[in-house]
Amino acid sequence: QVQLKESGPGLVQPSQTLSLTCTVSGFSLTSYNVHWVRQPPGKGLEWMGRMRYNGDTSYNSALKSRLSISRDTSKNQVFLKMNSLQTDDTGTYYCSTGHYFDYWGQGVMVTVSS
Amino acid sequence: DIQVTQSPSSLLASLGERVTITCQTSQSISNNLNWYQQKPGQAPMLLIYYATSLQTGMTSRFSGQYSGRSFTLTITSLEPEDIANYFCLQHYSAPLTFGSGTKLEIK
Repeated sequence: QVQLKESGPGLVQPSQTLSLTCTVSGFSLTSYNVHWVRQPPGKGLEWMGRMRYNGDTSYNSALKSRLSISRDTSKNQVFLKMNSLQTDDTGTYYCSTGHYFDYWGQGVMVTVSS
Repeated sequence: DIQVTQSPSSLLASLGERVTITCQTSQSISNNLNWYQQKPGQAPMLLIYYATSLQTGMTSRFSGQYSGRSFTLTITSLEPEDIANYFCLQHYSAPLTFGSGTKLEIK
């Protein structure tokens, strides 16, 4: 069955770079898009960007200058890198996929703090 | 970018009551809108896709409709397990955009 799992550091210092990995199983990265979505504590969901099945990427306009999404199809992994982190980047980061955007990972909590 | 305006931001309702949540998009997206339910500490769960299709395994108390740029999620006969946050998502074009969410509570 389709599964996604996010991994990465729980704590990042301000101005540093966040690196997250979404490891998937049950489907091919060349068949479905994978999205990154984040959620500040107690707030709503924000779409960050996506890795399309064909390798193309799209980004949230507000994050585009800081964000990069890549993948390694041989390892079934999609990567998120975001630089110049600030405290308002604190939140839970999810990866998601599916024809109907219906499969989600459990999320990984990231705290930006010194 | 397509803006999505969701209302209300919070909703107090009684058990057994019919509840409606609305999302309005800034431009036409056809039926490219999903509805999600999210409970505290959990990932969002898909309820409705392509505006009107009920996700497999979800109760038929949830339904979606749309007309033009206005989309509604209806819960008939509110149950205790429906207490959650609800979000819409337009996936017509990138950047994808979520509604700001509706917190549903019991009166």
